[in-house]
Amino acid sequence: SQELEQSPQSLIVQEGKNLTINCTSSKTLYGLYWYKQKYGEGLIFLMMLQKGGEEKSHEKITAKLDEKKQQSSLHITASQPSHAGIYLCGAGEDTGNQFYFGTGTSLTVIP
Amino acid sequence: NAGVTQTPKFRILKIGQSMTLQCTQDMNHNYMYWYRQDPGMGLKLIYYSVGAGITDKGEVPNGYNVSRSTTEDFPLRLELAAPSQTSVYFCASMEGGSRGELFFGEGSRLTVL
Repeated sequence: SQELEQSPQSLIVQEGKNLTINCTSSKTLYGLYWYKQKYGEGLIFLMMLQKGGEEKSHEKITAKLDEKKQQSSLHITASQPSHAGIYLCGAGEDTGNQFYFGTGTSLTVIP
Repeated sequence: NAGVTQTPKFRILKIGQSMTLQCTQDMNHNYMYWYRQDPGMGLKLIYYSVGAGITDKGEVPNGYNVSRSTTEDFPLRLELAAPSQTSVYFCASMEGGSRGELFFGEGSRLTVL
């Protein structure tokens, strides 16, 4: 089965600071997804990357997929308290049937 | 806009009891998934289905059963509940495999005492 390791496991940053979360796969990624989960709530889709070297941005969040399609990073610029939550990367298997998630990164932003 | 609907939102069970978590989606998605999320952890895939009548095991299927008699519904059954099944359960659906957004329900928080 696909294994997705995220680092760091948790992160505490001062408001206004930049931060990066990494997601590493044991296999080639056929589509890499980033989700955000506010504490105690459901998951919110952030963005999807499919091509090696692809980069997408939404507001102050940028995600990249490396050329080898085995690692993705999520970068938040000038963090705000609203960015706090758990960030999860997810990916499908090459068969496209099973969909796995990473171990999660808990982000706290201190005002 | 209903999307993916899960019931119940909260439930407390005694050890050995059984129950069914309901999941319904109104987007005509073929792919449906059940995950569990333990405190501070990521999501673990329990079971999934690629269409009506087809189900398969994920990473942590023991102690659970599913069925998919219609495209819309994907119930998760817990037989002989154990404390290790205390978790938050999420149902999700996708139009076609890993080629689109995975839509999630709001979760069902289950406690087994």
